[in-house]
Amino acid sequence: SQTIHQWPATLVQPVGSPLSLECTVEGTSNPNLYWYRQAAGRGLQLLFYSVGIGQISSEVPQNLSASRPQDRQFILSSKKLLLSDSGFYLCAWTPGTSGYQETQYFGPGTRLLVL
Amino acid sequence: AQTVTQSQPEMSVQEAETVTLSCTYDTSESDYYLFWYKQPPSRQMILVIRQEAYKQQNATENRFSVNFQKAAKSFSLKISDSQLGDAAMYFCALGGSNYKLTFGKGTLLTVNP
Repeated sequence: SQTIHQWPATLVQPVGSPLSLECTVEGTSNPNLYWYRQAAGRGLQLLFYSVGIGQISSEVPQNLSASRPQDRQFILSSKKLLLSDSGFYLCAWTPGTSGYQETQYFGPGTRLLVL
Repeated sequence: AQTVTQSQPEMSVQEAETVTLSCTYDTSESDYYLFWYKQPPSRQMILVIRQEAYKQQNATENRFSVNFQKAAKSFSLKISDSQLGDAAMYFCALGGSNYKLTFGKGTLLTVNP
């Protein structure tokens, strides 16, 4: 069966520090991968998605970036964090071979607090 | 552009009763999928139910069922025999031809004992 992991689970970082959040999927190959951000009490905002290694689509211009160095690994990064980057970050995957209609399955998320 | 609207920011239900959460959407595509996700206090998003737009029959998963009205672009979720564990934020989502899901802003469901 497929599983999705995210780490760290919780992170407290000072303003201006770098960020690296990691997401990995097991039990499948060539998944579509997604990064979302959720502010407290609000809906999900899609940040990036990837349909293959090295293929990244950005949804929102900001100081975050994403990379996909391996088939089942998706990394969210920042060179300098802002206070507004605080939130809950969710990674999700869908089977890449079945098209766009597939259900998205979510990881446990990372709580990021920028102070 | 696709939009999803959840007009009920908060709902409450008594344990063992039935509650219906509303969702309306807009899309220009003819082939799409609709989803309800649950986000409990742990904040992990959990799929509750999904509906293929080309299917006329409403999807059902145990105590969860949907009322899919394609012409009205309405997709409501009915929870029967509500349990304390059903308390969560519920999100309606629409999937189209662009690899992405469009989410509503969510409905916070409280279950009263």
